Amino acid sequence: AQSVTQLGSHVSVSEGALVLLRCNYSSSVPPYLFWYVQYPNQGLQLLLKYTTGATLVKGINGFEAEFKKSETSFHLTKPSAHMSDAAEYFCAVTPWSNAGNMLTFGGGTRLMVKP
Amino acid sequence: EPEVTQTPSHQVTQMGQEVILRCVPISNHLYFYWYRQILGQKVEFLVSFYNNEISEKSEIFDDQFSVERPDGSNFTLKIRSTKLEDSAMYFCASRGLAATDTQYFGPGTRLTVL
Repeated sequence: AQSVTQLGSHVSVSEGALVLLRCNYSSSVPPYLFWYVQYPNQGLQLLLKYTTGATLVKGINGFEAEFKKSETSFHLTKPSAHMSDAAEYFCAVTPWSNAGNMLTFGGGTRLMVKP
Repeated sequence: EPEVTQTPSHQVTQMGQEVILRCVPISNHLYFYWYRQILGQKVEFLVSFYNNEISEKSEIFDDQFSVERPDGSNFTLKIRSTKLEDSAMYFCASRGLAATDTQYFGPGTRLTVL
């Protein structure tokens, strides 16, 4: 069984500041890890994913995340926040061994960007 | 860019009524999913569908729920007798064959049960 914990349901940063959204997971087998973003009244859009290979993955809109197996973490970062980054962010995990690949989501973090 | 579409965007129904939520997955995708998000809660997996049968389902997906791919393009979720607690945003998703393929989500259908 898997679970995902996102610390901080709300994060507020100033425009231009570092964005750090935390995600920790629990999985009995090696996971695939994802970050999705949801803008108001829209569906979930993939930001980035880790499946195999390099543990630092780069996604769209300047976001990146690092898979740290020893810490069971997959935190999302962006060096400089933009007003357009305001949205809800979801971390998700699926076990690599499961062909169906159902996603288990964290509770989400709402990012607010102050001018 | 191909996308997953869902209709309707908002459905209001009376408790006990049947509803059908519709999805058109990306055309060359082979796995299909339904998730739901009750207001203020996590996105939860309901069911996955592959090769014209359910491949996995959650505890939420009880006998009141069913899925169907009636033709080559649509993927539907039916709730036979809606309850108040079925009120949620329902998301459809699809992906290709490889386990590493991304699940692409539709914009969701907001179901309100009165």
